[in-house]
Amino acid sequence: DIQMTQSPSSLSASVGDRVTITCRASQSISTYLNWYQQKPGKAPKLLIYAASSLQSGVPSRFSGSGSGTDFTLTISSLQPEDFATYYCQQSYSTLLYTFGQGTKLEIK
Amino acid sequence: EVQLVESGGGLVQPGGSLRLSCAASGFTFSIYSMYWVRQAPGKGLVWVSRITSDGITITYVDSVKGRFTLSRDNAKNTLNLQMNSLRAEDTAVYYCVRSRQAGFDYWGPGTLVTVSS
Repeated sequence: DIQMTQSPSSLSASVGDRVTITCRASQSISTYLNWYQQKPGKAPKLLIYAASSLQSGVPSRFSGSGSGTDFTLTISSLQPEDFATYYCQQSYSTLLYTFGQGTKLEIK
Repeated sequence: EVQLVESGGGLVQPGGSLRLSCAASGFTFSIYSMYWVRQAPGKGLVWVSRITSDGITITYVDSVKGRFTLSRDNAKNTLNLQMNSLRAEDTAVYYCVRSRQAGFDYWGPGTLVTVSS
């Protein structure tokens, strides 16, 4: 199975900050990497697919990059509504689309 | 508008059974692989089971193999997860999810399954 490791597990930041979350795969997954945002009590929402493509309706302050085993999600200027938990997911292994353990982004 | 609506969750005793259903609408259900993803209280996301668009290939996470059975009815646009021999560690919110290789693009609101005596 492909393991996904996110860092950090939690992060405190302020409105307006630039934030980067990283995700590492246990083997190369090309660009088959997706990012989700989850707010408390809600279902996750797809933000970024194929490592760097913005899902329709997602603000342009979100961006993704990387290939192979190392990936990043960047929020260019944090807004109050961005405080949430973020998950990466690989979709390279067609049977097992495994998730990272999540990164909780909190207000400083 | 794409909609996925789960039902069937609730409180069940250890060893009991539940059947979760997902009603899909607003898209051509029969061409998409579908997943169930669960999230235990305060924990991360874990895929539970996956079924291909034609219903032929079904995959389960090791922890539910032999206890859970996934099926779909493409004529009725429904996805069903039969859960038997439930354990405390199966307690979670269960999400019905539409899958594409470019991620899980639509999620239902989730249904809570609580396994407790």
